[in-house]
Amino acid sequence: IVLTQSPGTLSLSPGERATLSCRASQSVSSNYLAWYQQKPGQAPRLLIYGASSRATGIPDRFSGSGSGTDFTLTISRLEPEDFAVYYCQQYGSSPTWTFGQGTKVEIK
Amino acid sequence: EVQLVESGGGLIQPGGSLRLSCTASGFTVNYNYMSWVRQAPGKGLEWVSTIYSGGSTYYTDSVKGRFTLSRDNSKNTLYLQMNSLRAEDTAVYYCARQGLVGAFDSWGQGTLVTVS
Repeated sequence: IVLTQSPGTLSLSPGERATLSCRASQSVSSNYLAWYQQKPGQAPRLLIYGASSRATGIPDRFSGSGSGTDFTLTISRLEPEDFAVYYCQQYGSSPTWTFGQGTKVEIK
Repeated sequence: EVQLVESGGGLIQPGGSLRLSCTASGFTVNYNYMSWVRQAPGKGLEWVSTIYSGGSTYYTDSVKGRFTLSRDNSKNTLYLQMNSLRAEDTAVYYCARQGLVGAFDSWGQGTLVTVS
């Protein structure tokens, strides 16, 4: 399964709403779609699993939605620490797992 | 506290071999699916290999026949033996756990492998 994320870069101001898209080349089994946040020099951090469930300790300004082939990560109000790169990943077609190419959320 | 610590990266010539280690604490490696994910400089994330709790191993096509994933249950450690290394294997290699939720819920800090 190929995952295509859009846009490549999102330029927004703190307090604004961010909407990130992830489209799959075929249906993601059981909506096994995750979102990760990665800051420079750090490992990725799991934000969302199962398309819409927040991982432990993730603030509720992060939400995931979608099913089948179209998924969305929404950050309701951007905080300064949210500027980072975000990746989607499908884990429904094990034993192969694929990531999207990433969306960079930068300060406008 | 769940923790993963990778080691073993470094500078290696093309065609050489390297063994990466990932030592876990706070959970038992052989009860979980464990994976390696890599990230080339300035690029995105790429799944490399996974070992199931039952011991089955899986690899992305570009490393099949060159990389071998194994674990030592007594040391709670995962290993990635990398042979016939190529320039395109240059990346930060992360060890990650696939927890009960199925996604990669814990990651190590990564170890840099440079093939040059």
